[in-house]
Amino acid sequence: DGGITQSPKYLFRKEGQNVTLSCEQNLNHDAMYWYRQDPGQGLRLIYYSQIVNDFQKGDIAEGYSVSREKKESFPLTVTSAQKNPTAFYLCASSRTSGSLETQYFGPGTRLLVL
Amino acid sequence: KNQVEQSPQSLIILEGKNCTLQCNYTVSPFSNLRWYKQDTGRGPVSLTIMTFSENTKSNGRYTATLDADTKQSSLHITASQLSDSASYICVVSAGREYGNKLVFGAGTILRVKS
Repeated sequence: DGGITQSPKYLFRKEGQNVTLSCEQNLNHDAMYWYRQDPGQGLRLIYYSQIVNDFQKGDIAEGYSVSREKKESFPLTVTSAQKNPTAFYLCASSRTSGSLETQYFGPGTRLLVL
Repeated sequence: KNQVEQSPQSLIILEGKNCTLQCNYTVSPFSNLRWYKQDTGRGPVSLTIMTFSENTKSNGRYTATLDADTKQSSLHITASQLSDSASYICVVSAGREYGNKLVFGAGTILRVKS
């Protein structure tokens, strides 16, 4: 998984609860990304960060929030505003945000709603 | 609309046989195309990357081809092994003027049987 760790592997959310997914990388990469994967669909970008202390919304940012206070860390919070949070969440990083840079993915967190 | 379509959706082959997976895209402008392998419950791992000027790229038993004129790519797997069982995802980059946005296909699920 290229030096990217995600935790927990499984996460259960109760209605109205905010939950935070952890993503850490030791690759010294500037860029980090959060994707959501649903069955039968391609990965969709939630948020991305090109550099520490900066981040931008992706295609499906509503109901999610992120922070990038440290280069190594890019946690994702799934808020109660996200009405359909059940999915497989993947974090990725790349050396820079250039188009030829390979994104290295973590092992993923599966979020389930109780 | 930028899209990446993969076929077939799923495929079962016998160990030792060859197979070819297809990817058609409408992403424009085009920067590069990647194939990723994703094992069940894990993050995707990059197999190959091809830019506009490249027609073919190999990585061991995996050979990717690209026809930028017809906007088609294929991934050929030679002498399949049980460990090739995975989802294979085609990803197209839209280039710098579109923020190097990645468009993901839904993947082809390959199962190799003994």
